Parts: sequence; structure tokens; C-alpha cells
Amino acid sequence: GAVVSQHPSRVICKSGTSVKIECRSLDFQATTMFWYRQFPKKSLMLMATSNEGSKATYEQGVEKDKFLINHASLTLSTLTVTSAHPEDSSFYICSAVAPSNEQFFGPGTRLTVL
Amino acid sequence: QKEVEQNSGPLSVPEGAIASLNCTYSDRGSQSFFWYRQYSGKSPELIMSIYSNGDKEDGRFTAQLNKASQYVSLLIRDSQPSDSATYLCAVARSGTYKYIFGTGTRLKVLA
Repeated sequence: GAVVSQHPSRVICKSGTSVKIECRSLDFQATTMFWYRQFPKKSLMLMATSNEGSKATYEQGVEKDKFLINHASLTLSTLTVTSAHPEDSSFYICSAVAPSNEQFFGPGTRLTVL
Repeated sequence: QKEVEQNSGPLSVPEGAIASLNCTYSDRGSQSFFWYRQYSGKSPELIMSIYSNGDKEDGRFTAQLNKASQYVSLLIRDSQPSDSATYLCAVARSGTYKYIFGTGTRLKVLA
């Protein structure tokens, strides 16, 4: 399968700071990437669709000014959680659409906001 | 009615048995169907995709799709304890990469 990486895998930050998470497709180009979050023992929740060269499309209830998404190249999308608060603590996972039209997921980033 | 429904489980099967996981969906415009496996604390891993009615086999896994009845299933033959995980069903309409995920079925394979 196609390989997607995420960095960092784990981050702990203080309340009020911003955190940037990178998602890279390593062996293919991805016009479309997705960002999800998942709380413990809960299902995946789609946050936004990231399209290379255009603005991200956010799901209902997701604040675009809080979760900034940039998809500047065909292999990289970034999610920045701005002014993070403890309720933003979660498991953030990206996925990239491969040429096979299948989504492949990154390993996820566990964010803890103190 | 949820768009994609799965029994949350846990589904417990003995080692070596066949595990049968089921998923129903409500949107008749759905054209692409996927099964992912997610271990606790990890991200989902694609197991299989299926697009046409019938069976598709890959190793110990068989996906079955019936669009008329709007269900897709995953069979795991010779289940192993390492298969214990949550299995997510995902569905997409034609022309979109956006998936609708079920809440997942937790599978326990007992040694």
C-alpha cells in the first residue's frame, strides 16, 4: 500500500500555544488529503478536506480559524491547531488519496494540551 | 438511520474460526466500499476495497458486496489473535473521495 507519514507522532503543549502537524505522502502525489480527529473509543470524525492549491473544505461545526489547513504541495498538507486548549486534546489523523483512489492513513498525532 | 451502520460488538470468535463482519449503508448512490482495521491507539489500515457486487478475496480476507440489499461484509478465515482489532467499514459515492465511516466492530479472537 501507499505510505503516508505524520509528524510529530506525539506533542504536549501549553494552553494558548499553536501546534503544527505535518502529513506527507511519501511515494505518491496526493491532490486530496483529509484530516480526522478521534477521541478515545470513539469513531473517526472528519474535520476537513485538504485540496492542493485551494482552500480547505471544513465539515460543519469545525472552526476554520482554529484549525488552519495548508496544502501547499502534492505531497504535504499541514494542520495548525491555533490557541490550543485542553478540549483540543485528541488523536489527529490525516489520510491521502492515492492514485488507486483509496485513502491511506498516516500514523496519527496524539496531542495533549495542558 | 445512520448512513453506515455496524454492530459495535465485541464479536468474539475462537482462534481458527471464521469471523464475519457486517455493514449496511443507506445511500444507494454509494459506489466504493472499504474495510479498514484499526488497532487500539493506532490509525486505520486499509484491508480491502470492493466496487462490484460479489466476492473479492485477498489472502484470509473476503469482502462481499450486495448493492441491492445495501450491505457489505468482511470474512476473516482462520482468525488469529493478532486479528483482534476494530474493523471500520467505509463507503463513498461515485465521484468523491470523501468516505462515510461506520463506528466500527470490535473483534476479539480468543486463543
